[in-house]
Amino acid sequence: EPEVTQTPSHQVTQMGQEVILRCVPISNHLYFYWYRQILGQKVEFLVSFYNNEISEKSEIFDDQFSVERPDGSNFTLKIRSTKLEDSAMYFCASSEVRGGNTIYFGEGSWLTVV
Amino acid sequence: KQEVTQIPAALSVPEGENLVLNCSFTDSAIYNLQWFRQDPGKGLTSLLLIQSSQREQTSGRLNASLDKSSGRSTLYIAASQPGDSATYLCASPRDTGRRALTFGSGTRLQVQP
Repeated sequence: EPEVTQTPSHQVTQMGQEVILRCVPISNHLYFYWYRQILGQKVEFLVSFYNNEISEKSEIFDDQFSVERPDGSNFTLKIRSTKLEDSAMYFCASSEVRGGNTIYFGEGSWLTVV
Repeated sequence: KQEVTQIPAALSVPEGENLVLNCSFTDSAIYNLQWFRQDPGKGLTSLLLIQSSQREQTSGRLNASLDKSSGRSTLYIAASQPGDSATYLCASPRDTGRRALTFGSGTRLQVQP
């Protein structure tokens, strides 16, 4: 079954450093998302991306964050100048273009900021 | 904006029991509702998606229902097994016409052998 893949599975970074999390969405999907889950808290929406531009973003997704589709298969989340409170599991997800379709999630990337 | 809540936060049942997990939402103009399973430290596995025009969806031992008028969805698990132990999350689009999901806090299910 097709799946969303994410790398790295776990990354430890120093506060203030930049981090790039990578995702390969399901191949025929054209909507891509990033969510995060701080330990013990709800899954929170960050951003959605379609047709090479952000289609929706939450109040969490400020200037510290950016997304990019650098080629035909990868989708990345960049976090600049990481803070301790950025420590979380970051999930990439994708869905088909047709509305109302299932959103499929990857296994996540654990980010620990020290 | 849609808000989603799940009660109880945790549930423990003996193996073989049928059980119901609850999900409440605030906006009855719901577009769809999706149920997920999350194992500790893992990603989200989609279980069922119910469109607003549907009343229920079934997959194997799982049955999800949607009642827009009461703002509730339930996930029914028949003949529970220890392998069903996980956290179950429900989620719905945050705003009408949007795709981004808002999640409940989940129900942590423990099925005892």
